[in-house]
Amino acid sequence: AQKVTQAQTEISVVEKEDVTLDCVYETRDTTYYLFWYKQPPSGELVFLIRRNSFDEQNEISGRYSWNFQKSTSSFNFTITASQVVDSAVYFCALSDSNSGYSTLTFGKGTMLLVSP
Amino acid sequence: NAGVTQTPKFQVLKTGQSMTLQCAQDMNHNSMYWYRQDPGMGLRLIYYSASEGTTDKGEVPNGYNVSRLNKREFSLRLESAAPSQTSVYFCASSEAPSGPAHNEQFFGPGTRLTVL
Repeated sequence: AQKVTQAQTEISVVEKEDVTLDCVYETRDTTYYLFWYKQPPSGELVFLIRRNSFDEQNEISGRYSWNFQKSTSSFNFTITASQVVDSAVYFCALSDSNSGYSTLTFGKGTMLLVSP
Repeated sequence: NAGVTQTPKFQVLKTGQSMTLQCAQDMNHNSMYWYRQDPGMGLRLIYYSASEGTTDKGEVPNGYNVSRLNKREFSLRLESAAPSQTSVYFCASSEAPSGPAHNEQFFGPGTRLTVL
């Protein structure tokens, strides 16, 4: 069965530090999709990125970057020069053919606290 | 566009009471989902609807029923609420998969439910 592990429950950093959030997944499929979502203190879930299993290129979007490594089944998320507004819970999620029509299997989330 | 809307935002029930959580999307998405979020557990899928007229169980369906009223609306019903159903409930929608592609889901603001 598919599984997503976010081993870091909570991370605290000081503003301008770089921080990496880890995500390790398990799936038997060769075709699957990985996602990151952000949940700020206001509670809504904000989509950040989708990556398919055939595309191992790293992606950068402003201060955000993602490192996908199939060899270690990891899809890590790095925030460069963190800001207070980055404080949120971040979820990694997986969708594969066993997920029942694009349903998502979520990790338990990592709470990131960025202090000034 | 409002995206995904949910009503109510907050609700307190007594054990044994029933209620329906409403969800609507205006993005013309085919697929809709209901998740619950509990502390330290991430989000878990309750039910989903791949398209109008179909519904399927997710990971934690016991104690819930759903109705896909039309393409826009997907409701979640608690027939006899229990304290274990105290949670934050999120509705989401997405485009139907294109072949093997699994699309990102867009989430509503959530309903915070307390069962006493």
